[in-house]
Amino acid sequence: EPEVTQTPSHQVTQMGQEVILRCVPISNHLYFYWYRQILGQKVEFLVSFYNNEISEKSEIFDDQFSVERPDGSNFTLKIRSTKLEDSAMYFCASSGWATNTGELFFGEGSRLTVL
Amino acid sequence: SQQGEEDPQALSIQEGENATMNCSYKTSINNLQWYRQNSGRGLVHLILIRSNEREKHSGRLRVTLDTSKKSSSLLITASRAADTASYFCATISGAGSYQLTFGKGTKLSVIP
Repeated sequence: EPEVTQTPSHQVTQMGQEVILRCVPISNHLYFYWYRQILGQKVEFLVSFYNNEISEKSEIFDDQFSVERPDGSNFTLKIRSTKLEDSAMYFCASSGWATNTGELFFGEGSRLTVL
Repeated sequence: SQQGEEDPQALSIQEGENATMNCSYKTSINNLQWYRQNSGRGLVHLILIRSNEREKHSGRLRVTLDTSKKSSSLLITASRAADTASYFCATISGAGSYQLTFGKGTKLSVIP
């Protein structure tokens, strides 16, 4: 069964360092997303991406964050200068169509620990 | 207050019993979805109900939606130990929006 894969599963970094989280969405999907979940808290929307551009982003997704689809398969989230409060589980998701008509397929997540 | 609040926060039942979880939301929605998350794992989509639907079934799952009360319920019948997980409702509010708003979830423990 097709699945969304994310790497790394866990990354530890020092505050101020740049981090890139990688995702391979399901191959025939058109919409891509990043969500995050701080330990013990809700899953929060960060950004959605369609047709090679950001379609929607939340207040969390500030100038420190960027997304890219550098080739036909990968979808990356970059945090330019990490802060302690960026420590969270980051989930990539994809869908074949707009989420207001269908389901999201989530990866297993990348745990980011900022020291 | 937040969109998509589930209750109870935690639920512990015996295997074979039914589990009911509720979700309330604040704004009008296009659809409401339920997801499951095993501890430390990703989210798995369970079921989607559209704003013009009142009830939907999928295997042992039954979801209801009451848009007048802005609430939904998820019923898992004949629970199994493998159903132990956190369950989240998530809503899409606006037409053209791609943003899912999740609740805090209900942590279900099914005791064998």
